[in-house]
Amino acid sequence: DIQMTQSPSSLSASVGDRVTITCQASQDIKNYLNWYQQKPGKAPELLIYGASNLETGVPSRFSGGGSGTDFTFTIRSLQPEDIATYYCQQYDDLPLTFGGGTKVEIK
Amino acid sequence: EVQLVESGGGLVQPGGSLKLSCAASGFIFSGSPMHWVRQAPGKGLEWVGRIKTKANNYATAYAASVKGRFTISRDDSKNTAFLQMNSLKTEDTAVYYCTRITGDFRFDFWGQGTLVTVSS
Repeated sequence: DIQMTQSPSSLSASVGDRVTITCQASQDIKNYLNWYQQKPGKAPELLIYGASNLETGVPSRFSGGGSGTDFTFTIRSLQPEDIATYYCQQYDDLPLTFGGGTKVEIK
Repeated sequence: EVQLVESGGGLVQPGGSLKLSCAASGFIFSGSPMHWVRQAPGKGLEWVGRIKTKANNYATAYAASVKGRFTISRDDSKNTAFLQMNSLKTEDTAVYYCTRITGDFRFDFWGQGTLVTVSS
């Protein structure tokens, strides 16, 4: 199975800060990576697909990058409504696997 | 508007069975592979399995943790996917989500989830 290692597991930042989350795959997954946002008590929502493509309707302050084994997810200017847990997910091979999540809080 | 609505969750004893349903609307259900993803309380997301379309012989695949105990099926005439769960264990306690996957492998719509609690 492909292991997805996300870091940090949690972070605290101020409104307006730039926030970056990393996700490392245990093997080359090309750009077969998605990023999701999950707010408490809600289902996950897709933000980024194919490592760097912004899902329709998602604010442009969210972005993704990387390929192969190393990926990043960035919130350019953190907003109060961005408080959530973020997950990466690979779809290069079954079983589909998710990173452990990064909980983002406001300082 | 795309909607996925799960139902069938509840409290079940270890070793018991439960069948979840996922009612879909707002898109061509028969053309969409469907997946199940679960989330144990306070934990991360775990892929459970998927079923492909009729064109792909309704092929299924499962996570190792549920293989042999869980079965995914679908009824395209009712726009519904199912997750039959047998021999349930306490570690199967989770919110179960059904989700649609697109041709470019995006889980773009999710249901609201249904809670399964396995406890004596």
